[in-house]
Amino acid sequence: GIQVEQSPPDLILQEGANSTLRCNFSDSVNNLQWFHQNPWGQLINLFYIPSGTKQNGRLSATTVATERYSLLYISSSQTTDSGVYFCAVLTQGGSEKLVFGKGTKLTVNP
Amino acid sequence: EPEVTQTPSHQVTQMGQEVILRCVPISNHLYFYWYRQILGQKVEFLVSFYNNEISEKSEIFDDQFSVERPDGSNFTLKIRSTKLEDSAMYFCASRYSTGANVLTFGAGSRLTVL
Repeated sequence: GIQVEQSPPDLILQEGANSTLRCNFSDSVNNLQWFHQNPWGQLINLFYIPSGTKQNGRLSATTVATERYSLLYISSSQTTDSGVYFCAVLTQGGSEKLVFGKGTKLTVNP
Repeated sequence: EPEVTQTPSHQVTQMGQEVILRCVPISNHLYFYWYRQILGQKVEFLVSFYNNEISEKSEIFDDQFSVERPDGSNFTLKIRSTKLEDSAMYFCASRYSTGANVLTFGAGSRLTVL
């Protein structure tokens, strides 16, 4: 099945720093979503981005579908950005389902 | 904004008991999913459901598990004879149609098996 690899697995930042999280996937996909899992375990959908670039406040994401990767940018990080960021891709053909990467655990220190 | 609602938010059960986790998907959505996340691990696909039947199930989704859409709104996951290793967060998700489409997740049900 499709493989989804996220890097880095862990990231520690000082408040105010910028960061880039990467997601590589092994096959063509119909959709890609970025999630933030908050301390209560909820999966918060950040972006639905099968291709191109989107921005939402301090966060932006870019997916280059032809090269099978996506990037999540966090600028001017805040302590509330801490948590695990998951990339998930929607498989093509047959029964479509989201396949998740292992996540990047982000810690933003004050 | 429409939400996927899950109950209970947290359930504690004894090993060997049966558990039913409930989900109310977004009302016009047609595709339904259950995912599982063991503490500290990634989110894993369990099962997808469309047109009142299972579309796909993972290796995890063995005879211990079953899903049902008993009425027009609820989507349930039943776990029979729970084991310690069933302790996890269980997420329900739904989406409107096939193709490039967003899956919306519920807040999760945390199951603790003692």
